[in-house]
Amino acid sequence: NAGVMQNPRHLVRRRGQEARLRCSPMKGHSHVYWYRQLPEEGLKFMVYLQKENIIDESGMPKERFSAEFPKEGPSILRIQQVVRGDSAAYFCASSPQSKGGSDEQFFGPGTRLTVL
Amino acid sequence: SQQGEEDPQALSIQEGENATMNCSYKTSINNLQWYRQNSGRGLVHLILIRSNEREKHSGRLRVTLDTSKKSSSLLITASRAADTASYFCATDGNQGGKLIFGQGTELSVKP
Repeated sequence: NAGVMQNPRHLVRRRGQEARLRCSPMKGHSHVYWYRQLPEEGLKFMVYLQKENIIDESGMPKERFSAEFPKEGPSILRIQQVVRGDSAAYFCASSPQSKGGSDEQFFGPGTRLTVL
Repeated sequence: SQQGEEDPQALSIQEGENATMNCSYKTSINNLQWYRQNSGRGLVHLILIRSNEREKHSGRLRVTLDTSKKSSSLLITASRAADTASYFCATDGNQGGKLIFGQGTELSVKP
């Protein structure tokens, strides 16, 4: 059973370009979470999605950032018009269920975004 | 300040010694989890302790939870150089779904 997969592992963009980060959850998992980790810091929650639904986007900046988890295919985190401050590691996690108390979340290896 | 704060921020010990890391949080929780992150890598889940549990063991790991003090500790016994990593606690904040991470403890185990 393959783990959570993220690609690309490393992404370099120039200021103003778009960044697209992909996440394929573990087989059988229908809940996806995106987190961002700045250097020397812990992970910060961004968005929680189920298939075709955004459940909680309270951690996602209102502008330039969007996320989706379509019926078919991976979850996508999209950052438009990137700025240097977007440089970070972006982690995706998945879980089989999340009602009330969270179950264990399984993390992918992350995408390291560098904005030049 | 942020839910889930670990201390110490950094800990350096010799191989064979025990390592204790603490985590405090602010709101009620359903469970608390500990994760490990090796430099430049993803997170590995270590252990989950539910709010009605006080202590849990997994191999060389021992986790305690005190909901009255809103704190947890992670003890790694007989540490090895391979335990060198950053350790994070994470709570669900009783909100379901998202995890709230602390800043982490950077553990260095010297051979």
